Amino acid sequence: GESVGLHLPTLSVQEGDNSIINCAYSNSASDYFIWYKQESGKGPQFIIDIRSNMDKRQGQRVTVLLNKTVKHLSLQIAATQPGDSAVYFCAEIVNTGFQKLVFGTGTRLLVSP
Amino acid sequence: DSGVTQTPKHLITATGQRVTLRCSPRSGDLSVYWYQQSLDQGLQFLIHYYNGEERAKGNILERFSAQQFPDLHSELNLSSLELGDSALYFCASSSGTLGGELFFGEGSRLTVL
Repeated sequence: GESVGLHLPTLSVQEGDNSIINCAYSNSASDYFIWYKQESGKGPQFIIDIRSNMDKRQGQRVTVLLNKTVKHLSLQIAATQPGDSAVYFCAEIVNTGFQKLVFGTGTRLLVSP
Repeated sequence: DSGVTQTPKHLITATGQRVTLRCSPRSGDLSVYWYQQSLDQGLQFLIHYYNGEERAKGNILERFSAQQFPDLHSELNLSSLELGDSALYFCASSSGTLGGELFFGEGSRLTVL
């Protein structure tokens, strides 16, 4: 399940820094958003979600911010650790007669010790 | 471990051939989703089954088909394979229809030579 080789934007940070990963979504009618983490050799793993009636949600070391006005989503990781190194995808539920979960292109996070 | 099992993990075949990828969802999950991850396309939604019935179709080629069996496992059939079909194919499952967390398997890596 590795995503190495994907032509992705990359964010490089030092261990202990805070990381911010950004995502622009496409559909103004989308009402549910999810961040996934994909480590090398594995499938995507759920991190945190947010519904459109919220603009902020916090988890353990992670915060998701939603700005519906500009259709922008961000994932903030506090005190980034080497184990956070992975590809991060935002995803939105799009309703086009039926529901489907549509993934963004992803951002590669590299954390240096 | 997400609880979603995909086989085979790796598959190498030739153009024009047909392959079948198999997915066993988490125990109790009724929904199965298939995604394709290639180098330049990110995670692309292919198809969604719920309790044996097709619920949604994404960018799935006519050469591809899927089904979900009474025991809820699913198979993705890829025929008349082309070089461009080389990709990681992920299966995900959830307890119901979209709105909840998707649990991904570790993927099947298909290489078409």
